[in-house]
Amino acid sequence: DTAVSQTPKYLVTQMGNDKSIKCEQNLGHDTMYWYKQDSKKFLKIMFSYNNKELIINETVPNRFSPKSPDKAHLNLHINSLELGDSAVYFCASTLYGGPQETQYFGPGTRLLVL
Amino acid sequence: GQQLNQSPQSMFIQEGEDVSMNCTSSSIFNTWLWYKQDPGEGPVLLIALYKAGELTSNGRLTAQFGTTRKDSFLNISASIPSDVGIYFCAGQKVPGYALNFGKGTSLLVTP
Repeated sequence: DTAVSQTPKYLVTQMGNDKSIKCEQNLGHDTMYWYKQDSKKFLKIMFSYNNKELIINETVPNRFSPKSPDKAHLNLHINSLELGDSAVYFCASTLYGGPQETQYFGPGTRLLVL
Repeated sequence: GQQLNQSPQSMFIQEGEDVSMNCTSSSIFNTWLWYKQDPGEGPVLLIALYKAGELTSNGRLTAQFGTTRKDSFLNISASIPSDVGIYFCAGQKVPGYALNFGKGTSLLVTP
């Protein structure tokens, strides 16, 4: 009965590789987000999708490409991985315009680029 | 996005003590949220505040939305070892939009 799930939980890869992270929510939400948490634990928004449409695209290298096949899924594909991409990536979701709109986070994907 | 000013950065207290942490911003937010992150996990929502001046409790936790909409505090009473973790404040300007996070308060509780 997991609310927001992410796979994989851990991802170790070499520089230059391409990798994907997947996120799924079973809360019936229509808006999903990707946040990046750096080594100092600071959380920063990367992307946001509402009903499969991109609504937020912060200053993120275009090596990062989100894709939302449906409202319950938001994936993140990263091309040509760099050392600085090592971080924890969190997916979150919310019901836009809900009576008390709140974002719920997944468990995170720990990416280590060697 | 704007980063919120959260303090203190860390706290080291004894079990049973009360804890207070706060968050300030130079701009107005319509929603303030407090999250807790345990090691190896994602942030978990503790308290959400939607109205200026609102005071909300969740067990031993109490949070308030500042009347100017530019600040919030979180209090934890009678701390216990499982309160250990990183506490984040987050502000949201527009419904559906991204959260702006503070840098976190790392709490350690000794038995």
